[in-house]
Amino acid sequence: EVQLVESGGGVVQPGGSLRLSCAASGFTFSTFPMYWVRQAPGRGLDYVSAISPDGGFINYASSVQGRFTISRDNSKNTVYLQMGSLRAEDMAVYYCVREAGLSARFFDYWGQGTVVTVSS
Amino acid sequence: DIQLTQSPSFLSASVGDRVTITCRASQGISSYLVWYQQKPGKAPKVLIYAASTLQSGVPSRFSGSGSGTEFTLTINSLQPEDFATYFCQQFNSFPMTFGLGTKVEIK
Repeated sequence: EVQLVESGGGVVQPGGSLRLSCAASGFTFSTFPMYWVRQAPGRGLDYVSAISPDGGFINYASSVQGRFTISRDNSKNTVYLQMGSLRAEDMAVYYCVREAGLSARFFDYWGQGTVVTVSS
Repeated sequence: DIQLTQSPSFLSASVGDRVTITCRASQGISSYLVWYQQKPGKAPKVLIYAASTLQSGVPSRFSGSGSGTEFTLTINSLQPEDFATYFCQQFNSFPMTFGLGTKVEIK
């Protein structure tokens, strides 16, 4: 069974940092592109970042470019999101998401989400 | 960035109704359009990908159509478990943008 389990969310002050982790299981992690997608309270879904299976391709939304860093450790079946210079507008549920396959062009599995609160 | 405009943003319908949701892209995205369903407190679930391909396990009352800039999601014979929010997403180019959602509520 495919599982994506996020952790690392919490309360952080504006300007602070946080590292999210997503532990994957139930599939060959090293062959799937992985993403982070966030959802602010009562709002829609926002793409945050993507990483290719080998980590050689990375992309960010313009709103987080230069502040967030995505990475993955295929030996640990884990994808990370290092978030810095956090702002109120970064407050959201952060989902770890799997693309259904290389160039599948849709997300087939989502984690349960981890909540990031930015507040002084 | 490619903008996706969903309409309506809210609709009220009864069990058994046929419901249609539209998603318009600000530029052509071929057939790289995905539909998700989200229930309160839960992660989204894929319904349709490549504009019209039903994801495995999704009931056949859900269908999608369109290409280029205009797409529709149709739910035939709405069931109680279908009351939720529906999002479209374009997977044509980075960043993968989403529509703002359509909330389907019980009339």
